[in-house]
Amino acid sequence: DAGVTQSPTHLIKTRGQQVTLRCSPISGHKSVSWYQQVLGQGPQFIFQYYEKEERGRGNFPDRFSARQFPNYSSELNVNALLLGDSALYLCASSRDSSYNEQFFGPGTRLTVL
Amino acid sequence: QQQVKQSPQSLIVQKGGISIINCAYENTAFDYFPWYQQFPGKGPALLIAIRPDVSEKKEGRFTISFNKRAKQFSLHIMDSQPGDSATYFCAASGRSQGNLIFGKGTKLSVKP
Repeated sequence: DAGVTQSPTHLIKTRGQQVTLRCSPISGHKSVSWYQQVLGQGPQFIFQYYEKEERGRGNFPDRFSARQFPNYSSELNVNALLLGDSALYLCASSRDSSYNEQFFGPGTRLTVL
Repeated sequence: QQQVKQSPQSLIVQKGGISIINCAYENTAFDYFPWYQQFPGKGPALLIAIRPDVSEKKEGRFTISFNKRAKQFSLHIMDSQPGDSATYFCAASGRSQGNLIFGKGTKLSVKP
C-alpha cells in the first residue's frame, strides 16, 4: 500500500504570494493533519481535518487555511507569504480524528524569498 | 509554553553502544507517547509508541521506558548502528485531541 503522498516536493515563492500544498492520505485513513517544521525544530501542529470538517487548529494566523475533499485528500493554503513561512510542511494521516497513531508524508519544502 | 521537553539536543555514540534520549511532559491528559525517526530531507517515521498503562515496550533494538509518576519517558536504542544516525523526536497526544505535540529533537550520530 502507498504511504502518505505530498506534492509538490519543493516550492519557491516570493513574499506576498500564495501557495497551495496537497496531500493524499493512506488508503482507508479518513483524517489528515498538517504540521510545519522549521529547520532544527520539531513539527508544529497547524490543522486537523476529519470527514471534511476541521477538528483542530494550532496557533497559526488566518493566512493559513485548509480543506479536505470527499476522497479524504487535503490542501493547505497559505496567503500573503512571509519569509518566516519557509519550512517543511508535513501531512500526517490517521484512521480517524481521535486515533493517535499518525503517519507522515515526505513533506513539501517551501522557500519564501 | 513547551509541553514536551527533550534532551539531549545531540548525542554521539559508538557503534554497538546504547543510545538514550529522554523526554518530559507536563500535561497529565496526555496518554499516547510516540517516538519518530527523521532522516535529512524526509518526513518523520513512526518508530515505537507507548500508552501509560505499561512501563516499558520493546520492539527489536528499540525500547520505550515510561514513568507516569515522574511524567517522563525515554527511548533506548540497543546495539546502535551507523544507520541509526538521524534526528529523533518524542511526542505526546491526548485521548480528546488528535494532534501530536513534539519535542525539539535529538540529533544522534553513531560512530563506526
